[in-house]
Amino acid sequence: QVQLQESGPGLVKPSGILSLTCAVSGGSISTSDWWSWVRQPPGKGLEWIGEIYHSGSTDYNPSLNSRVTMSVDRSKNQFSLRLNSVTAADTAVYYCARGGRGELHGFDYWGQGTLVTVSS
Amino acid sequence: DIQMTQSPSSLSASVGDRVTITCRASQSISYYLNWYQQIPGKAPELLIYAASNLQSGVPSRFSGSGSGTDFTLTISNLQPEDFATYYCQQNYVIPLKFGGGTTVENK
Repeated sequence: QVQLQESGPGLVKPSGILSLTCAVSGGSISTSDWWSWVRQPPGKGLEWIGEIYHSGSTDYNPSLNSRVTMSVDRSKNQFSLRLNSVTAADTAVYYCARGGRGELHGFDYWGQGTLVTVSS
Repeated sequence: DIQMTQSPSSLSASVGDRVTITCRASQSISYYLNWYQQIPGKAPELLIYAASNLQSGVPSRFSGSGSGTDFTLTISNLQPEDFATYYCQQNYVIPLKFGGGTTVENK
């Protein structure tokens, strides 16, 4: 059973950098799967942020493209998200999930989510 | 970008009812459409993948249909644990997109 766990600061200052890591257990990150980040502002819907493959290939949501960087560490079986120049609009619960473009299984495994608040 | 439009945005139903939620894509996404259930405070949970395939462990009262641009999620015999928000999601093209959600409330 694959499990995902997000970690990172719960509070980030405006104009700062949001940095999160997703640890994968119960399976290898180096499978033929994409790994994604999804966020949900309080009381709102779900927004896909981007995806990464174990090779390091990435796709990002154009709405965030210039501020997002994702990376993967196969030795630690984890992948990461970095979002620059954050504002209050980036306050959300951030989820990591297994799945991505063209994968018939959808987002079948999710982390529990971590709330990141952007505030001074 | 492909837009995903869910309807209704909310509905009221009773235990035992049959509930239907629709999702329309702004262009064809073949069968690359998934449905999720989200209970407040919890991560979304995959119900249906590839338009009509029931995820392992999901009760058979959930079913999905459709292809191209029009899709449906049906809950037959609504149970108390089914009061939640449901999202459709396309993973055909980048950017992947979720519908706006449908909240199923207890009448």
